[in-house]
Amino acid sequence: EIVMTQSPATLSVSPGERATLSCRASQSISTNLAWYQQKPGQAPRLLIYGASTRATGIPVRFSGSGSGTEFTLTISGLQSEDFAVYYCHQYSNWPPPSTFGQGTRLEIK
Amino acid sequence: QVQLQESGPGLVKPSQTLSLTCTVSGVSITSDLYYWSWVRQTPGKGLEYIGYIQYSGSTFSTPSLKSRLTISLDASKNRFSLKLTSVIAADTAVYYCATPGGITTGAFDFWGQGTMVTVSS
Repeated sequence: EIVMTQSPATLSVSPGERATLSCRASQSISTNLAWYQQKPGQAPRLLIYGASTRATGIPVRFSGSGSGTEFTLTISGLQSEDFAVYYCHQYSNWPPPSTFGQGTRLEIK
Repeated sequence: QVQLQESGPGLVKPSQTLSLTCTVSGVSITSDLYYWSWVRQTPGKGLEYIGYIQYSGSTFSTPSLKSRLTISLDASKNRFSLKLTSVIAADTAVYYCATPGGITTGAFDFWGQGTMVTVSS
């Protein structure tokens, strides 16, 4: 099983600043990586797929990069609605199995 | 636009069977563009991919649950279901149905709102 490790567990950033979240895969997954945002009581929302492609309707302040085992989600000009938990998700062997990271909580500084 | 809605009991006794249904709207469940999937979320283990089914008959169950898990599909009602037998407390979770949208390959575009299932006597 491919293990996904996210860091940091919690990130404190001020509104208007940039947040950088990391995700590492235990083996190469090419660019078969997605990022999701989850707010309390809601389902995850797809932000990025293919490591760097924004999903439909996702603002341009969200960007993804990386390939192989190291990936980054960058959120520029943080807005109040961006404070949430973010998960990475690898789907390298799709159809499944696929695995999720444990999440990074982005909180207001 | 694909819409998904989970339904089922919120409380299940240990050793009994957990049964959930996901009703699909906006698209036919017979389209093999989609992988009709179940994902669960617990505070301890986070998000866990459980398995999928397609109309063509293709299925997958995560190895840790395979002996207890059945995923089925009812095309006449445009819905699919999950049955997990011999449940234990560790099966307590929010259960989501979800599917990739086709162009996103294995990334989940579409999710239900989730249903909380508690395993307790």
